[in-house]
Amino acid sequence: GAVVSQHPSRVICKSGTSVKIECRSLDFQATTMFWYRQFPKQSLMLMATSNEGSKATYEQGVEKDKFLINHASLTLSTLTVTSAHPEDSSFYICSARVNPSTDTQYFGPGTRLTVL
Amino acid sequence: LAKTTQPISMDSYEGQEVNITCSHNNIATNDYITWYQQFPSQGPRFIIQGYKTKVTNEVASLFIPADRKSSTLSLPRVSLSDTAVYYCLVGDWGGSYIPTFGRGTSLIVHP
Repeated sequence: GAVVSQHPSRVICKSGTSVKIECRSLDFQATTMFWYRQFPKQSLMLMATSNEGSKATYEQGVEKDKFLINHASLTLSTLTVTSAHPEDSSFYICSARVNPSTDTQYFGPGTRLTVL
Repeated sequence: LAKTTQPISMDSYEGQEVNITCSHNNIATNDYITWYQQFPSQGPRFIIQGYKTKVTNEVASLFIPADRKSSTLSLPRVSLSDTAVYYCLVGDWGGSYIPTFGRGTSLIVHP
């Protein structure tokens, strides 16, 4: 149980285009999902917290107009990188909280974004 | 927010037991301790979670002393496939905890 999927696993796009990444909790409902970005040989950096039915909470320094997050259902959150540029190239990872009380956080496999 | 400190890297050999210690001196009463494993270009994988004393599962053991200011992840008889980065996270998952990752420990297992 507690499987989180991401789609696509890898995407290459041209500079200026928008890219949508989906994060799904396959066998549980997730009221809260998190989006991270990870550069090579660095740790995961939290970008935003996504709560079902409400606006996402962005970490300081993360542009909310550039990284649009939608959490329309209890099993799906999407991250849209708008007007992507080469510096947005990174590994994007989502996670979902299984149990709001004791909790364990499960991660998706990640999406490798390359902007040409 | 409890800050964690881990060794940046560790080396071991196949078949040995590996212990990775995480310091979290300002851990709060409601905080849990969770360890994750990450391979290159993959999302982190949950290993184990505990609150106090000892927790064991099929993959690892987690030792937490009475003062809870540190914790030790124990991997029995490691293999080459255990080469990965290991992260320790501390927080009150039931509250408004925002899970943040430190630098983690890069474990390299040698033949």
